Amino acid sequence: EAGVVQSPRYKIIEKKQPVAFWCNPISGHNTLYWYRQNLGQGPELLIRYENEEAVDDSQLPKDRFSAERLKGVDSTLKIQPAELGDSAVYLCASTRDLQSWTEAFFGQGTRLTVV
Amino acid sequence: ILNVEQSPQSLHVQEGDSTNFTCSFPSSNFYALHWYRWETAKSPEALFVMTLNGDEKKKGRISATLNTKEGYSYLYIKGSQPEDSATYLCAFYPREGSQGNLIFGKGTKLSVKP
Repeated sequence: EAGVVQSPRYKIIEKKQPVAFWCNPISGHNTLYWYRQNLGQGPELLIRYENEEAVDDSQLPKDRFSAERLKGVDSTLKIQPAELGDSAVYLCASTRDLQSWTEAFFGQGTRLTVV
Repeated sequence: ILNVEQSPQSLHVQEGDSTNFTCSFPSSNFYALHWYRWETAKSPEALFVMTLNGDEKKKGRISATLNTKEGYSYLYIKGSQPEDSATYLCAFYPREGSQGNLIFGKGTKLSVKP
């Protein structure tokens, strides 16, 4: 069984440029999460999808961040325009059940550097 | 406030040493606790999902205990090996609040020297 796949692994962009991250969760996993991990901090949830519905996007900075999961499978997270403070690791995770307390499966993350 | 505290922040041990880390969480609002291991350049990987007070789980040389009444969990590594070097994340799932999402601690970074 393939794990959660994220791309790209690394991205360096200049501030004010757009950037997009892609995630393909484990087949059959209905719930998908995007997390951001700043240096020295734990992962913080940006958005949670249950199938194609964003059920919690309360922590997503909506002025510059957007996400979609059109067919309830893979997902894209976009930042436009990027700021220096957006430098972080962006993690995607999925769970089999709609209950968040079960084990989460993570991708390797995308390390974003904004210069 | 839903806060998860992990200590220590980092740890350097010699190969063969045994070590342990602590995760503290709000005891009055507990539903589940997760431990993840995150090796450099790899995906975070679940070690344990714990739900019952007094629970003790083991995977090879790694074990974890849970005390929901006092709000802490310990992760133990017996006879540390260089391949145990990683960041160990604790994540708390509360009964109420957080809109049904895991709340992560900042992690404990373990370095094991050969």
